[in-house]
Amino acid sequence: SAVISQKPSRDICQRGTSLTIQCQVDSQVTMMFWYRQQPGQSLTLIATANQGSEATYESGFVIDKFPISRPNLTFSTLTVSNMSPEDSSIYLCSGYGTENTEAFFGQGTRLTVV
Amino acid sequence: AQRVTQPEKLLSVFKGAPVELKCNYSYSGSPELFWYVQYSRQRLQLLLRHISRESIKGFTADLNKGETSFHLKKPFAQEEDSAMYYCALRYTGNQFYFGTGTSLTVIP
Repeated sequence: SAVISQKPSRDICQRGTSLTIQCQVDSQVTMMFWYRQQPGQSLTLIATANQGSEATYESGFVIDKFPISRPNLTFSTLTVSNMSPEDSSIYLCSGYGTENTEAFFGQGTRLTVV
Repeated sequence: AQRVTQPEKLLSVFKGAPVELKCNYSYSGSPELFWYVQYSRQRLQLLLRHISRESIKGFTADLNKGETSFHLKKPFAQEEDSAMYYCALRYTGNQFYFGTGTSLTVIP
């Protein structure tokens, strides 16, 4: 399966600032997704990153808070905007190739907002 | 709405003992289920999927549509099996819905 490089792996940020997380896939993938994993909880889908158009957000997540870009089939970014301590979490990007392949994941970004 | 339930957050077994990690799902369509594993300091990775009906690292999982379950089993647990295990359901649009995970500890 493809390999996703995600960076940064961790960061400590001041409240009110923004952080952009990048994911680079080593091959073209059909779909890319962004998840959040809060402490002690499961992965929650934030949005589907659509190539060349606006991302599709899940209930509870909005573009102003989590703007996403996907300029091509191998790269996507997620920005966590105007951060607060409640945004402290692990953020994961995921890729999905064809109908019969599994989803694969980046290493995750551990974000701490102080 | 789709849902995946893993009732055990923590599970400890002795090395060599059988292990079963439970997963139940709720989905109105035709389910496609997966088990993902995350070893310490590693990324989340696929362990197995129900459509393959395969055994990976000694683990198997059978989809039981009557009981809406997809339990993960291994007859003899090994220390290297200690990890976090997530059951996942793939639904419309190729999104994945993950269970809350079970942390497995195999005691030497």
